[in-house]
Amino acid sequence: DSGVTQTPKHLITATGQRVTLRCSPRSGDLSVYWYQQSLDQGLQFLIQYYNGEERAKGNILERFSAQQFPDLHSELNLSSLELGDSALYFCASSETGTGVVEQYFGPGTRLTVT
Amino acid sequence: EDQVTQSPEALRLQEGESSSLNCSYTVSGLRGLFWYRQDPGKGPEFLFTLYSAGEEKEKERLKATLTKKESFLHITAPKPEDSATYLCAVQAVTQGGSEKLVFGKGTKLTVNP
Repeated sequence: DSGVTQTPKHLITATGQRVTLRCSPRSGDLSVYWYQQSLDQGLQFLIQYYNGEERAKGNILERFSAQQFPDLHSELNLSSLELGDSALYFCASSETGTGVVEQYFGPGTRLTVT
Repeated sequence: EDQVTQSPEALRLQEGESSSLNCSYTVSGLRGLFWYRQDPGKGPEFLFTLYSAGEEKEKERLKATLTKKESFLHITAPKPEDSATYLCAVQAVTQGGSEKLVFGKGTKLTVNP
């Protein structure tokens, strides 16, 4: 158990809908990262927040957005969902936001878009 | 473009049969290289961080090494519980000056009893 929690574990929704994925980092960690993992693409970095502010952006679509709240939990919002958005979404956390830092991953949310 | 390539894609071993997994990378500003283990349907589990060429790290039956262009994960006398997908990632500096992890697609290891 990494100490990172994610809810829900599974989510099934229809195309065009909007969903919110939630992540709580390990105690003491200030940085949160979001990743998408699909069978053909592997783990793709989406976005990073550090202490409430956006720190780095990866291959995140405009339909997706994220935020980190004062209590350091984070939410990833996915809107206008398409079939291709079906994937595992992971959250990771680390102590700091810069330097060489180990990231600890949560158990993931499996999103199925029908 | 930063790239991480892992080989082989899949590897089947008999229990006790040692082998190595490869991770080759092309990155402009390597800050560190990480190995993770991932079981089906679960999040990646951190194994090692390597910072510079020549460095080695060990944990039970696993040993990770790093050269200037690749890293190896050596598995000595594996057991069935070592079966998992092993992911390699490099921490690189983006054009904007921020840092991100770039992952390879992984090597799926199966150890038969």
